[in-house]
Amino acid sequence: GESVGLHLPTLSVQEGDNSIINCAYSNSASDYFIWYKQESGKGPQFIIDIRSNMDKRQGQRVTVLLNKTVKHLSLQIAATQPGDSAVYFCAERGGDYKLSFGAGTTVTVRA
Amino acid sequence: DAGVTQSPTHLIKTRGQQVTLRCSPKSGHDTVSWYQQALGQGPQFIFQYYEEEERQRGNFPDRFSGHQFPNYSSELNVNALLLGDSALYLCASSLGWGPETQYFGPGTRLLVL
Repeated sequence: GESVGLHLPTLSVQEGDNSIINCAYSNSASDYFIWYKQESGKGPQFIIDIRSNMDKRQGQRVTVLLNKTVKHLSLQIAATQPGDSAVYFCAERGGDYKLSFGAGTTVTVRA
Repeated sequence: DAGVTQSPTHLIKTRGQQVTLRCSPKSGHDTVSWYQQALGQGPQFIFQYYEEEERQRGNFPDRFSGHQFPNYSSELNVNALLLGDSALYLCASSLGWGPETQYFGPGTRLLVL
């Protein structure tokens, strides 16, 4: 079946640098994409979302980019902080309205 | 404003037993979705309840069943537990069916021995 996946399972970043987390998806019918952050022992926390009729959306310190041509989604975190250390998941909503998650990228922030 | 709550936080069962997990949605939300998250994996959609009916279902066997109550809270039941059912079970709530901005609870960690 079709699924959402991430390019890299782990990412190490220096505190203060910008982070870029990538995600590839294969379901061309997906119309809505979400990034979640999951800290150890907690449930996923909503970060930012984007609809398929947009290619960029900005939040507080975060930006999501959507490239439908190559089915690619990315999350950019500006001035990465120690509190940003977590597992990041991208998720897509397919034409059946079900939400599918990728395997996640573990981000570690170096002091 | 209470967020999504789940109970219990941890649970240990043996193979063949049955388990019931509970979820209370975020205030104002009427839709509850359940997910299974195996260690090191992303959450996998089990099913979604809206207006006390199962609206969507993922690729899970009939051993997994659920219920939604008039107050929008929900239960997940798993019968004939297998070792492979060991996972973190997450509940997410939203307003209206279709996963518009789902808010997740902390999960219930189930261990099957």
